[in-house]
Amino acid sequence: DAGVIQSPRHEVTEMGQEVTLRCKPISGHNSLFWYRQTMMRGLELLIYFNNNVPIDDSGMPEDRFSAKMPNASFSTLKIQPSEPRDSAVYFCASSSSGAAMGTGELFFGEGSRLTVL
Amino acid sequence: AQSVTQLGSHVSVSEGALVLLRCNYSSSVPPYLFWYVQYPNQGLQLLLKYTTGATLVKGINGFEAEFKKSETSFHLTKPSAHMSDAAEYFCAVSQYNFNKFYFGSGTKLNVKP
Repeated sequence: DAGVIQSPRHEVTEMGQEVTLRCKPISGHNSLFWYRQTMMRGLELLIYFNNNVPIDDSGMPEDRFSAKMPNASFSTLKIQPSEPRDSAVYFCASSSSGAAMGTGELFFGEGSRLTVL
Repeated sequence: AQSVTQLGSHVSVSEGALVLLRCNYSSSVPPYLFWYVQYPNQGLQLLLKYTTGATLVKGINGFEAEFKKSETSFHLTKPSAHMSDAAEYFCAVSQYNFNKFYFGSGTKLNVKP
């Protein structure tokens, strides 16, 4: 299996620009998570989906952030407009969740490092 | 509510010495507990996990952790540190259906020659 695939690996943009981060979860996984990692705040859960449906988006910082999962094999995290404080590494992770099928392991992508100037 | 506390944001040990990384959790339901490792410029990888059964769990690279319910702890240990163990380690807790994971703030392990 190819693992969780994220793109782009690195993105440098200017304040005010739109940023779209992409994620392909592991085939067969039914849960997908977006995390943000910074030195100051550590690893923060932004949103997670179960069976393509957003379950908890309480970690999304503000309306500038949005996430979609149009199908089981693709998700996007969009920031519009971007600000310098959004600079961070954004991780996507997937898992098999649910008491009947859960394995209890999150599989992480390699992350997208975003720099907003 | 669930939360995870990792004591010590930085731990430094000599090569060959014991590694002990501390993790305490709070959970209103029986927890599932995990340790993840993150090497520079990489995502997190699972080291080991406790779900049910034996409270001493063994993971990859010689690491192990013991679930102590009375102490609400899940400390990570390795008898002898190797230079390749230098990384950041995260403790996490989840509910039984694995729908949400709560991560600690991480502990950076430095291994001195």
